[in-house]
This record gives sequence, C-alpha cells and structure tokens, in this order.
Amino acid sequence: DGGITQSPKYLFRKEGQNVTLSCEQNLNHDAMYWYRQDPGQGLRLIYYSQIVNDFQKGDIAEGYSVSREKKESFPLTVTSAQKNPTAFYLCASAGTDRGNSPLHFGNGTRLTVT
Amino acid sequence: AQSVTQPDIHITVSEGASLELRCNYSYGATPYLFWYVQSPGQGLQLLLKYFSGDTLVQGIKGFEAEFKRSQSSFNLRKPSVHWSDAAEYFCAVGDDSNYQLIWGAGTKLIIKP
Repeated sequence: DGGITQSPKYLFRKEGQNVTLSCEQNLNHDAMYWYRQDPGQGLRLIYYSQIVNDFQKGDIAEGYSVSREKKESFPLTVTSAQKNPTAFYLCASAGTDRGNSPLHFGNGTRLTVT
Repeated sequence: AQSVTQPDIHITVSEGASLELRCNYSYGATPYLFWYVQSPGQGLQLLLKYFSGDTLVQGIKGFEAEFKRSQSSFNLRKPSVHWSDAAEYFCAVGDDSNYQLIWGAGTKLIIKP
C-alpha cells in the first residue's frame, strides 16, 4: 500500500542537540511538506518542497532545516536554534503543489526536548 | 487577511445524535475547501473536499459538508455519530495559486455513550 512513513514515532532529545526526523513516501508525489502541530493552534507550515533539490520556507522555518535529495524522502532537522522544539511534527505529500491537491499525511513524530 | 475559523474548540455529542461542526473562512479568491480528521496521536485523513459544482459534498465515514458562499461557511455534518467518530476535525482552505493551505485550529469531538 502506498503511503507516508514517519520515523520514529517518539523522539527524546536534550536541549542543544540537533535531531533529524525522517519522512518517506511511496506515492510518487512531487510535493512534500512539514508541519508543526501544537495544541489549539492547528497546523503551521515549516518547509515545503515542490521537486527534488528544491524547497521553500514556510511560516515558521527558523531553527529548522530540510533536504530533498530524492523524490521519496524529505527529512527535517530540528536544530539547537529552535527555541521551543517540543511538538508534534507531521509530514505530508501531494500530487502537485496546487491548492486543489489533497494532502496525504504520515502518522507524525512527537518530539520532546528537555 | 486570509483565515479559517472553527468557533468550537470542543463539542460533546451523544452517540447516535446528529453533528454539525462549523467552519467559516475569509478568503480573497474562490476557495478550495477541505475537512480532515485526526485520531489521537495520528496523522490527518481527508474526509471530503469542495472545489466547484454541487455545494453539498459527500465524504467518507458518512460525513457531508455544505458550501455556503453567502455565509463564507463550509460546515461538516453527520446524521448519527458513532463512538469511533471521536477525534479532532480540521477545516482548511486553499486556492489554485497557493501552495499553502490555511488551517483552522480544529474542533475536538467528544462522544457521550
């Protein structure tokens, strides 16, 4: 079955450490997205990528970095510069980056930084 | 500014009762409208979408939504809820020129036995 796989499901890190969240899709989708979810705030876009080797900042990109070396993979690195990294992170993909292309989501990674 | 408002943070409904979740939007262009559902600790799943045409759209799991342009609303309905419908529901808006959906803050649905 096609889908999006995020790993790990839970991640614990000490403050000051960088951490990388994995996102892999086998849907052959061009567009991929990273969202952050905090209680009561909906979804906020961190980064998105329309094609391989290209990505753009979303609304809250500071303290995060991404790469898109392969169509199926879009890892997110949470750096020590991110002031409040504890959150639920969701990866999504879509057939295109147009607004009428529904998003397919992974099951998320819950990151806790202490 | 573009925005999506889901006025109800929580809604409690008895099992078997009808449900309506509200979504209002402020958007310059003709919008595409979506409802997604999220079970605890999971990702989001598309329930239904509206692009054009018939303003009453049917989705999965027995849900439907009605687009009312005059009221800038896209409310989600279900005639009879089941305990498995307990989840958080998100409304989102996009358009053809914009890669980024605008999301509501979500409504948490609680089902009373």
